[in-house]
Amino acid sequence: AQKITQTQPGMFVQEKEAVTLDCTYDTSDQSYGLFWYKQPSSGEMIFLIYQGSYDEQNATEGRYSLNFQKARKSANLVISASQLGDSAMYFCAMREISSGGYNKLIFGAGTRLAVHP
Amino acid sequence: DSGVTQTPKHLITATGQRVTLRCSPRSGDLSVYWYQQSLDQGLQFLIQYYNGEERAKGNILERFSAQQFPDLHSELNLSSLELGDSALYFCASQWNTGELFFGEGSRLTVL
Repeated sequence: AQKITQTQPGMFVQEKEAVTLDCTYDTSDQSYGLFWYKQPSSGEMIFLIYQGSYDEQNATEGRYSLNFQKARKSANLVISASQLGDSAMYFCAMREISSGGYNKLIFGAGTRLAVHP
Repeated sequence: DSGVTQTPKHLITATGQRVTLRCSPRSGDLSVYWYQQSLDQGLQFLIQYYNGEERAKGNILERFSAQQFPDLHSELNLSSLELGDSALYFCASQWNTGELFFGEGSRLTVL
């Protein structure tokens, strides 16, 4: 079975500095997708960034980039120039194909990021 | 705004009761996913519908059921509620590369 592991329950970073949130995954599929979501204290789940297993370039979206190391099965999220509004829970997720051939996402346990002024 | 609409946003009820959570996916999306987020279990996949048909099932209890209607809105029915069912229930619809767009969630508190 596929699995997502986030080993950092909590992280803190100074405002304007960069931070890396770790994510490792386990799958036997050749084709898969990796995602990061942000959940602020208000509760909504916000999609941040996507990386396909065949994408050669690391994905970037504004201040977010995904450090994809396929051989190591890691998909770390890098947030540059942290802002106070980045304080939230961050979830790594992977697309899993069900036995019926349909997509679903499985999520890691999450990392709580606190940005300090 | 993800375009996915969930109601109600908050719900407080008692053990043994039954509740219905409602979801409307983004315009044009045929899929609906339901997830449960509780404090000790993280985000757990419950069930997926596509164009009215059940397509995948996760850790959904027998006391829970769902359906997707012809207008593509979906309902998640939770019955014989227990204290442990208190959680945030998310509905999501899916983009073609696989990312899910989540609604704001329905926070259920069972007393």
